[in-house]
Amino acid sequence: GAGVSQSPSNKVTEKGKDVELRCDPISGHTALYWYRQSLGQGLEFLIYFQGNSAPDKSGLPSDRFSAERTGGSVSTLTIQRTQQEDSAVYLCASSSRSGPTGELFFGEGSRLTVL
Amino acid sequence: AQSVTQLGSHVSVSEGALVLLRCNYSSSVPPYLFWYVQYPNQGLQLLLKYTSAATLVKGINGFEAEFKKSETSFHLTKPSAHMSDAAEYFCAVTRNTGNQFYFGTGTSLTVIP
Repeated sequence: GAGVSQSPSNKVTEKGKDVELRCDPISGHTALYWYRQSLGQGLEFLIYFQGNSAPDKSGLPSDRFSAERTGGSVSTLTIQRTQQEDSAVYLCASSSRSGPTGELFFGEGSRLTVL
Repeated sequence: AQSVTQLGSHVSVSEGALVLLRCNYSSSVPPYLFWYVQYPNQGLQLLLKYTSAATLVKGINGFEAEFKKSETSFHLTKPSAHMSDAAEYFCAVTRNTGNQFYFGTGTSLTVIP
């Protein structure tokens, strides 16, 4: 596609429900990142995928969070038993290169509100 | 450990005035540094990046930033602000062997007509 696509753009859910957020990276991009952006906070790294390598999950805040990337393309971030503190904008980014010189291309984000 | 500090969560400038957004980094190894901009309801996009070549880096829309190792700074400047520059600006750092990009908390720029 032309850019990184994320869905849904907005999600309102009740505390305790599970949610899935989807990211379609730019075609051919091997690196994919998930970040969380909370009000007044910077971007918090969640997880990183690079090709067929094991993902870097070091940023996931709890075991309620998980992510997978199927076929090296689409990624899904799953939050189980959502809590109010999970409310944030979840950003996905992809890059054509691994490492620090690759430009990150961001989607517009999925805004999650947990009531 | 890598991190960046952006001084000033909100900056207001008059149209035509100098824009200065501050970023200081902490890195135990030579860093790679970035500025990203986020316009309302849009994703972040790259403004410019420093990857150990020239210390003065020019980016899009007339922005530039200078890497100063002695001051551990990478401040973003633009000589003359335009209304369209109103946005959130993020500084980010990574290192040459890492895959994680560490972002600052962002600076919201308001341009006053």
